Amino acid sequence: EDQVTQSPEALRLQEGESSSLNCSYTVSGLRGLFWYRQDPGKGPEFLFTLYSAGEEKEKERLKATLTKKESFLHITAPKPEDSATYLCAVQARNTGFQKLVFGTGTRLLVSP
Amino acid sequence: EAGVVQSPRYKIIEKKQPVAFWCNPISGHNTLYWYLQNLGQGPELLIRYENEEAVDDSQLPKDRFSAERLKGVDSTLKIQPAELGDSAVYLCASSKTTGGFTDTQYFGPGTRLTVL
Repeated sequence: EDQVTQSPEALRLQEGESSSLNCSYTVSGLRGLFWYRQDPGKGPEFLFTLYSAGEEKEKERLKATLTKKESFLHITAPKPEDSATYLCAVQARNTGFQKLVFGTGTRLLVSP
Repeated sequence: EAGVVQSPRYKIIEKKQPVAFWCNPISGHNTLYWYLQNLGQGPELLIRYENEEAVDDSQLPKDRFSAERLKGVDSTLKIQPAELGDSAVYLCASSKTTGGFTDTQYFGPGTRLTVL
């Protein structure tokens, strides 16, 4: 069974204090790993897709990386507007590459 | 480009009452999903449509939940009768599926259901 585990559950940072969120996964054949951002009262907003180990993608202060067992979302010099829940999801072979399996998310709070 | 549209945004009902949620996907997206999200959890798939066909409804509680996607565009998810445990956020998402491979899923804002 495909599993996604995110850590930490919650993270509090000071503005400018860089850190990383972790997403470890167990799947039978990974097609893609997805990162989403979710603000309170809103639906998940797509950030990145990673397809193979060693791949990296960047967007503003965010950088996502992928290994064969986990993905990291690095946040460099975060600002209060980066506060949100960050969700990781995988798309795997045994679900016909159709279904997303989500982790429970990391709640990030960035204080000014 | 307009995103996924859902309505209503909020719904409060008494238990045993029926409720329906509506979703309009992104134009050109042939695949539509309904997800359930409980507080502090990630979304969980309820049903997936490719065009008009429900191709994965294995997680849909069929005794009380039903869904339809008319003409392969808009979709409605219904609960009848609602139970206290159905209180959650119901998310709709859409994507393009070509040659058996599904592209990125884009989500709507969700409907927050409270059952009293």
